[in-house]
Amino acid sequence: SQELEQSPQSLIVQEGKNLTINCTSSKTLYGLYWYKQKYGEGLIFLMMLQKGGEEKSHEKITAKLDEKKQQSSLHITASQPSHAGIYLCGAFSGGSNYKLTFGKGTLLTVNP
Amino acid sequence: NAGVTQTPKFRVLKTGQSMTLLCAQDMNHEYMYWYRQDPGMGLRLIHYSVGEGTTAKGEVPDGYNVSRLKKQNFLLGLESAAPSQTSVYFCASSYRGEQFFGPGTRLTVL
Repeated sequence: SQELEQSPQSLIVQEGKNLTINCTSSKTLYGLYWYKQKYGEGLIFLMMLQKGGEEKSHEKITAKLDEKKQQSSLHITASQPSHAGIYLCGAFSGGSNYKLTFGKGTLLTVNP
Repeated sequence: NAGVTQTPKFRVLKTGQSMTLLCAQDMNHEYMYWYRQDPGMGLRLIHYSVGEGTTAKGEVPDGYNVSRLKKQNFLLGLESAAPSQTSVYFCASSYRGEQFFGPGTRLTVL
């Protein structure tokens, strides 16, 4: 079965700093999703990457997919307290196009 | 649109009690899912459904049952709750891969 490993597990940054979260798959990635979760709330979809080399941006968050490395990275520029939360990556598993396997998440704290 | 809603938001059970969690979506999605989220374990798939009247086991199905009698509803049942089922439960529905999540149900089993 596919496994997704996220690094780091947790991250504390000062407001205004840049940061990167990585998601590495044990198998070939056919698509990768990034979600954000605030404590005690549900998951909010950030973006989906489908093709190798694809890069998407939303506000100050940029995600890239490197199929060769079976890895995706999420980069936040000039972090703000509103970026704090848990970031999870998810990928289709077992050849399915509807079942997602998730990483364990990265807890981001942004200190003002 | 309300999106994905879950009922109840919080619940405390005693060991051995039963309960049903309700998930409803108004987006006409075919696929629906139940996950549990535990510290250090991430999101794990309990059961899922690819359409009305169908259900399938996920990664951690033991101790749970599900039903999808109507397309918009997906029920998760615990017949005899155990402390190991203390968790936060999330429902999701999907269209073309992207999954839309409900706000979660925090369940404590004493």
